[in-house]
Amino acid sequence: NAGVTQTPKFQVLKTGQSMTLQCAQDMNHEYMSWYRQDPGMGLRLIHYSVGAGITDQGEVPNGYNVSRSTTEDFPLRLLSAAPSQTSVYFCASSYQGHGTDTQYFGPGTRLTVL
Amino acid sequence: AQSVTQLDSHVSVSEGTPVLLRCNYSSSYSPSLFWYVQHPNKGLQLLLKYTSAATLVKGINGFEAEFKKSETSFHLTKPSAHMSDAAEYFCVVSVRSSNTGKLIFGQGTTLQVKP
Repeated sequence: NAGVTQTPKFQVLKTGQSMTLQCAQDMNHEYMSWYRQDPGMGLRLIHYSVGAGITDQGEVPNGYNVSRSTTEDFPLRLLSAAPSQTSVYFCASSYQGHGTDTQYFGPGTRLTVL
Repeated sequence: AQSVTQLDSHVSVSEGTPVLLRCNYSSSYSPSLFWYVQHPNKGLQLLLKYTSAATLVKGINGFEAEFKKSETSFHLTKPSAHMSDAAEYFCVVSVRSSNTGKLIFGQGTTLQVKP
C-alpha cells in the first residue's frame, strides 16, 4: 500500500492564480480531510469528507473548494490564491471518521503564494 | 467544545535522559487523545492513542502517555531520549463518539536532543 499520497510536493503561485492539490489513498478509507499547518498554530481543518459525494467545511474553509467523486481521491482547489494561503497542506484519511479512528497523513504540499 | 494546550513550545534534553512533553485538554464530551510526531519536512506519524481502555497507553519507539481525567492531562514520556527522537510533537483531541473525524491539534512541542 502506498498509503496517502499528495502531489505536488512544492508549488509556487502568484496572487490570483488557481491550482489543485491532489490527494489519493489506497486503503479504502471512507473519511478524508485537508489540513493546513502554519508556524505556532498546529494543524487546522479546512474541509473533510465522510464518503464519496459528501463534503463539509472545517475550521478554515474560506478560499478553498473540495469535491469527492471517488473513494480514493480528494482534491483541494484554490480558486484565487492569496499570500495568506502560503502554508503546508496535509491530506489525511481514516476508516470511517469515528472519533477513535487513527488518521493517516500524507507527506504534505508546501505552497508559497507571492 | 474541545481544545488542547501543549504547555511547552520547546523542550531540550540530553541523549539518554528522560523526556516529558506536557499536554492538557478540554472537552465537553468523552475524548479520544492522540500524540503524533513530525520529523523535519515529513508528514505526521501516530505515536499512540487513548480511546477509553487502559489509561496508560504504550506507543511506538518506547513512548507512553497516561490519561488523567482528574487533571485533564495526557503527558507524553520516554525513559531515555535518542537522537532520532528530535522532532515536533502534537497532542490531539477528538470527540470519541463523533463521526465527523474532526481533530483538534495543540500548537506543537519541538523536542531537541543534545548529544
